[in-house]
Amino acid sequence: QKEVEQNSGPLSVPEGAIASLNCTYSDRGSQSFFWYRQYSGKSPELIMFIYSNGDKEDGRFTAQLNKASQYVSLLIRDSQPSDSATYLCAVKRRGNTPLVFGKGTRLSVIA
Amino acid sequence: GAGVSQSPSNKVTEKGKDVELRCDPISGHTALYWYRQSLGQGLEFLIYFQGNSAPDKSGLPSDRFSAERTGGSVSTLTIQRTQQEDSAVYLCASSLGAVSFGYTFGSGTRLTVV
Repeated sequence: QKEVEQNSGPLSVPEGAIASLNCTYSDRGSQSFFWYRQYSGKSPELIMFIYSNGDKEDGRFTAQLNKASQYVSLLIRDSQPSDSATYLCAVKRRGNTPLVFGKGTRLSVIA
Repeated sequence: GAGVSQSPSNKVTEKGKDVELRCDPISGHTALYWYRQSLGQGLEFLIYFQGNSAPDKSGLPSDRFSAERTGGSVSTLTIQRTQQEDSAVYLCASSLGAVSFGYTFGSGTRLTVV
């Protein structure tokens, strides 16, 4: 089992719809969770992080964490074509450790 | 600096040659990380520096890879006797501390071994 798993996609949604991106992780002791966006040919940029169970909202983005299910998701409301990118889930395990990244989900928002 | 700076942005080298990749982190960031990303793949962790602690080298794929961080700031990743499978984008990131609120990545170095 991989440490951080994401569906590679592509996930296609129409403009204005809600895009739902999912991620599961294997280390139950993981402490914090991050979503990065990566445009083609560019480096990843941080969108959100979440530490506690529940929802965290920032503008059109909502991160959801369920530690019991070892599941984290990212919802993008009112999706725009400019949201088309690869979304990387990253997990910080216990201790003084670096982030572990999933392979990413490619999102395509169709105008 | 305002962001994480990496150089060169592109490097083409012949198989068997050594290469050095440079990373200048955000001023004041004590933690520095190297990852690589092959085409269509996720980010693979290579090495992590935190302050004056011994680096975490657990992700280095072979003894051809090494990294230094001088004066707690600039880092150099060295790949000796490059192989074609070393071709990838090498990304450097920095963060305020070990308990990070997320990394800030540089723009990367695209390494091509021919």
